[in-house]
Amino acid sequence: KNEVEQSPQNLTAQEGEFITINCSYSVGISALHWLQQHPGGGIVSLFMLSSGKKKHGRLIATINIQEKHSSLHITASHPRDSAVYICAVGGADGLTFGKGTHLIIQP
Amino acid sequence: KAGVTQTPRYLIKTRGQQVTLSCSPISGHRSVSWYQQTPGQGLQFLFEYFSETQRNKGNFPGRFSGRQFSNSRSEMNVSTLELGDSALYLCASRTSGNVETQYFGPGTRLLVL
Repeated sequence: KNEVEQSPQNLTAQEGEFITINCSYSVGISALHWLQQHPGGGIVSLFMLSSGKKKHGRLIATINIQEKHSSLHITASHPRDSAVYICAVGGADGLTFGKGTHLIIQP
Repeated sequence: KAGVTQTPRYLIKTRGQQVTLSCSPISGHRSVSWYQQTPGQGLQFLFEYFSETQRNKGNFPGRFSGRQFSNSRSEMNVSTLELGDSALYLCASRTSGNVETQYFGPGTRLLVL
């Protein structure tokens, strides 16, 4: 069973700051997903990675397969980025999720 | 394209009852996965259906079951409800493969009293 660890659990930052959220997993995977969940429950898939780096707007996700580690970066953070960010890894037995990082961006 | 839809959005049941939740995937998507989210355990995988067959199952008791119809719509059923089954139940759909983005529905919030 894959173990997925996210850090930090909670993060409060000022608008404009550069944000980094980390995710580590214990067993080899087929793909890693970064998800965003706003209050009310809706989940949006931000990235799916199996290698390298992806960028979408102000969001960047990287993955190091050898080190079993991924990072999600937010540049020029904005209050609307406030949400829970969840890392999930895909394997033979479906997705395994991290506990999430609760991010608050203050104006 | 319409997104993933789930019905009902909110549900209140009492212990011992059973409940059925419904999920309609994005048109053309043949894989539907179900997840449970609770404050204590976070998100956990329940099961995945593909072309009317259960392809994968998480570590949940047999009270949790599901099925998928020929039009890819899926239902999940929980029998003999317990207080601990109170949760947000999410479904997600994708085209077919394992290495694909999943698209999540808004969820059904179940409260068991």
